[in-house]
Amino acid sequence: DAKTTQPPSMDCAEGRAANLPCNHSTISGNEYVYWYRQIHSQGPQYIIHGLKNNETNEMASLIITEDRKSSTLILPHATLRDTAVYYCIVRDHGSSNTGKLIFGQGTTLQVKP
Amino acid sequence: SAVISQKPSRDICQRGTSLTIQCQVDSQVTMMFWYRQQPGQSLTLIATANQGSEATYESGFVIDKFPISRPNLTFSTLTVSNMSPEDSSIYLCSVGRPGENTEAFFGQGTRLTVV
Repeated sequence: DAKTTQPPSMDCAEGRAANLPCNHSTISGNEYVYWYRQIHSQGPQYIIHGLKNNETNEMASLIITEDRKSSTLILPHATLRDTAVYYCIVRDHGSSNTGKLIFGQGTTLQVKP
Repeated sequence: SAVISQKPSRDICQRGTSLTIQCQVDSQVTMMFWYRQQPGQSLTLIATANQGSEATYESGFVIDKFPISRPNLTFSTLTVSNMSPEDSSIYLCSVGRPGENTEAFFGQGTRLTVV
């Protein structure tokens, strides 16, 4: 699975959009981009994933560049409860993939009042 | 979705002893995964547990230190053997489906402190 690069930390004002970038320049055609977050002392929580089209769900939006080498997770109206470590993970959906996830260091998002 | 229960949620253990962590899933799953999260660090995959076969360990982890059982499609255990303070971590169980367009689910973790 391809490696990802994320900034170690970011701040965001409460109520504003939080834009979390991720670089995955070695991504291959079968690999999806997944985002998880880990709120302090809890297990990671799935947020969203996509292959090449932009995706949106009730939690967030995922914007993937046309060359698929980077993506941005958008939390449209950040709240204090969104303070967490956000992990961008690239995962192959091919039959050889067991479903395991390889975590990088993630981005610690601090939402401030 | 899948609901994962881990036991114990936390424990304080003496060095040299062993602790077995249980992971129970509310549905049948093919693959279960065990992760370690050392203080202030990201998650590191220990091993993949497939029912009916031996677990597959990642580089740096061995069966003698972290024996895993997977007796059926809803249950797995991870044992941390001959513990030292360096084993103090959060241990997390996860389930996922290979090759499918689905997310993984995680338990709440077992916070282990070795003294």
